[in-house]
Amino acid sequence: GAVVSQHPSRVICKSGTSVKIECRSLDFQATTMFWYRQFPKQSLMLMATSNEGSKATYEQGVEKDKFLINHASLTLSTLTVTSAHPEDSSFYICSGLAGQETQYFGPGTRLLVL
Amino acid sequence: QQQVKQSPQSLIVQKGGISIINCAYENTAFDYFPWYQQFPGKGPALLIAIRPDVSEKKEGRFTISFNKSAKQFSLHIMDSQPGDSATYFCAATLGGTASKLTFGTGTRLQVTL
Repeated sequence: GAVVSQHPSRVICKSGTSVKIECRSLDFQATTMFWYRQFPKQSLMLMATSNEGSKATYEQGVEKDKFLINHASLTLSTLTVTSAHPEDSSFYICSGLAGQETQYFGPGTRLLVL
Repeated sequence: QQQVKQSPQSLIVQKGGISIINCAYENTAFDYFPWYQQFPGKGPALLIAIRPDVSEKKEGRFTISFNKSAKQFSLHIMDSQPGDSATYFCAATLGGTASKLTFGTGTRLQVTL
């Protein structure tokens, strides 16, 4: 199957700082990428949908100014958590989509905000 | 509002037994129902999926049963193995695989020796 990578795999930062998470499709071009957040022992919640070259579409309740998404190429999407706070600590997972194919998920990034 | 409800929350099955996880959905417009397997610290991986025009799909030890009238679908894992121990999520989408997924709440499966 198609491979999606994420970097970093885990990050610890101080409250108030910004953190960037990269999502790359390694062997396919992802016209659409999705970003999810997963709290411990909970399900994945979709945060936003990004299409290459256009603005991301955010789900209700997700602050677009806090979670900046850039999908500058067909193989890279980035999520920047701005002015992170402890409540933003979570497992962030991206998925890539090639055309009408199945979503392929990355391994996730664990963010801990102190 | 939880559009896809999943049960049980956790499940313990002996090796060789059958694991059964159930999901129910509300939106009749959903047209694609995948199941994902997630190991700790990893992203989910697609296990098997079904469309509402069939009642059952089998791939190896994994079978999805689909009941359109009841708006329910279930995952059966035959001959469960310790390596199957993971969290399983059902999901549903509108408009096929390219659309955003609505996940169930997850089931933590433990297969004991």
